[in-house]
Amino acid sequence: AQSVTQLGSHVSVSEGALVLLRCNYSSSVPPYLFWYVQYPNQGLQLLLKYTSAATLVKGINGFEAEFKKSETSFHLTKPSAHMSDAAEYFCAVTLGLYSGAGSYQLTFGKGTKLSVIP
Amino acid sequence: DVKVTQSSRYLVKRTGEKVFLECVQDMDHENMFWYRQDPGLGLRLIYFSYDVKMKEKGDIPEGYSVSREKKERFSLILESASTNQTSMYLCASSELGRDPAVETQYFGPGTRLLVL
Repeated sequence: AQSVTQLGSHVSVSEGALVLLRCNYSSSVPPYLFWYVQYPNQGLQLLLKYTSAATLVKGINGFEAEFKKSETSFHLTKPSAHMSDAAEYFCAVTLGLYSGAGSYQLTFGKGTKLSVIP
Repeated sequence: DVKVTQSSRYLVKRTGEKVFLECVQDMDHENMFWYRQDPGLGLRLIYFSYDVKMKEKGDIPEGYSVSREKKERFSLILESASTNQTSMYLCASSELGRDPAVETQYFGPGTRLLVL
């Protein structure tokens, strides 16, 4: 079984400050990990994904995440927050195993809402 | 660009009504998914389909059914809507790449359903 835990349902940062959104995973085998972003009244958009090629993953909009196996973490960071980063962020995990039914299933965390203060 | 469209952005229905939510993707993806999103619960998978006429239950299939008659279209059906099905419904699609690195899920804008 797989699961993800996002620490903090709401995070507030000042414009220009570091953004750090936390995600810890639980998986019996090496996982594949994703970060998605949801802007207000929109669907989810992929920010970045870890697929075992490199532990530091760079995504869109200046975000990056580092896979740390020893800490079972995949935290999302951005050096300097912009107002446009205000959104809800979701961490997701899937196992490197076929579900047996034709697709890998994603398990999502509960989300972290990021507010950026001017 | 991949485009996933959902038939309605907002929908209001009455308890007991039969509700159809439609999703169409234009990238010839094999996989399609239906999720519901609730505050504090994140996204939960209702059903997914990896081929025409094929479907698999997700984590919360009770009270829902699905239909996939054409590759590009995946419908979610609430046979008899109840108030606890008030939620945001998100459709997604992905390639059948047999590799999670390939199978990025692309999401539609969502349908916000209110059942009175």
